[in-house]
Amino acid sequence: DIQMTQSPSTLSASVGDRVTLTCRASQSIGTWLAWYQQKPGKAPNLLIYKASSLQSGVPPRFSGSGSGTEFTLTISSLQADDFATYYCQHYDGFPWTFGQGTQVEIK
Amino acid sequence: QVQVVESGGGVVQPGGSLRLSCVASGFTFSIYGMHWARQAPGKGLEWVAFIRHDGSEHRIKTEYADSAKGRFTVSRDDSKNTIYLQMNSLRPDDTALYFCAKDNPVIDVWGQGTLVTVSS
Repeated sequence: DIQMTQSPSTLSASVGDRVTLTCRASQSIGTWLAWYQQKPGKAPNLLIYKASSLQSGVPPRFSGSGSGTEFTLTISSLQADDFATYYCQHYDGFPWTFGQGTQVEIK
Repeated sequence: QVQVVESGGGVVQPGGSLRLSCVASGFTFSIYGMHWARQAPGKGLEWVAFIRHDGSEHRIKTEYADSAKGRFTVSRDDSKNTIYLQMNSLRPDDTALYFCAKDNPVIDVWGQGTLVTVSS
């Protein structure tokens, strides 16, 4: 099975900061990667699919990049509503797997 | 609007069974695959199972995580816009919030989840 590893586990940042989250796959997954945001007590929300495509309705301050085994999610200017946990997930064949998550907290 | 709503969670003893349901609305259910995923309390997300739509060219209609193989069965009833997750031989580590989700071909719609607690 493909393992997904996210770093860091926790990121402390301030409103207005540019933040970058990293996700690594244990083998090449092309660009079959999605990013989700999850707030406490809520369902995940799709932000990015196919590594860099912005889901409809998601603010353009979110962007994704990468291919193969290395991927990043960037928030260009962190807003108060962005403090949450972010998960990457591959969909390059079954079983799908998620990373362990990166919690973005207020500095 | 597009939504999926889960039900059927509850408290069950180890070794017991439970059937979860998920009703979809706001989209043409019969042409989409559907997933189950779960999240243990305070933990990350885990994909559990997938069922393809009946028009899929794939020979294999369902897929499972290793943790679900042999114990869980996903099925669908397109006449009711519903998918099910039959869970047998439940273990304490199956305790989680179970989400139903729509495939497109990434998960683009999630339900709010139904809580399953396996405890004696």
